[in-house]
Amino acid sequence: ILNVEQSPQSLHVQEGDSTNFTCSFPSSNFYALHWYRWETAKSPEALFVMTLNGDEKKKGRISATLNTKEGYSYLYIKGSQPEDSATYLCAFEGSARQLTFGSGTQLTVLP
Amino acid sequence: EAGVAQSPRYKIIEKRQSVAFWCNPISGHATLYWYQQILGQGPKLLIQFQNNGVVDDSQLPKDRFSAERLKGVDSTLKIQPAKLEDSAVYLCASSQFNEQFFGPGTRLTVL
Repeated sequence: ILNVEQSPQSLHVQEGDSTNFTCSFPSSNFYALHWYRWETAKSPEALFVMTLNGDEKKKGRISATLNTKEGYSYLYIKGSQPEDSATYLCAFEGSARQLTFGSGTQLTVLP
Repeated sequence: EAGVAQSPRYKIIEKRQSVAFWCNPISGHATLYWYQQILGQGPKLLIQFQNNGVVDDSQLPKDRFSAERLKGVDSTLKIQPAKLEDSAVYLCASSQFNEQFFGPGTRLTVL
């Protein structure tokens, strides 16, 4: 059984604060690491797919880094806005090419 | 491009009743997935189809769950009879190559 862990489980920040979350995953049989954003009552939306050790990806105020040797990825949000409130899921894709999800980090940005 | 469609969006049933969920994937996507997301956990893969064939159903509780994708397009997931622990969001996803696109899910409550 693959173990994908995310921390923290939930987070409340003030508008304008910067924040980050962690995803840890197995360092063997790695193919890709996915980050999704899931707003209530909507479809999970893909943020990043990361495949190479040392990868850094950025989309607007959101960025992510990847360390496949030690098995972790960080997601950063700079200057959080209320519309960033969502659950952020990471998913490990191994050599079997299936996704194993973490339990998510629930972010609430207070105005 | 239309996204993955799912219906119903919400369903409340009593234990021992039956329920069915429907998924229409993105046009042209050969691979279709059903996931179960229990509150506080990450989505868990139940079954994966490639066209109308099953690729992996190892985590599908086959004594009560069934799924089909008869013409390689739409899919239905059925639970018969439902148990309290089946309360969850059921997500459908489809993919053509690497990236999975998710529908909004069906939230099932079993009383």
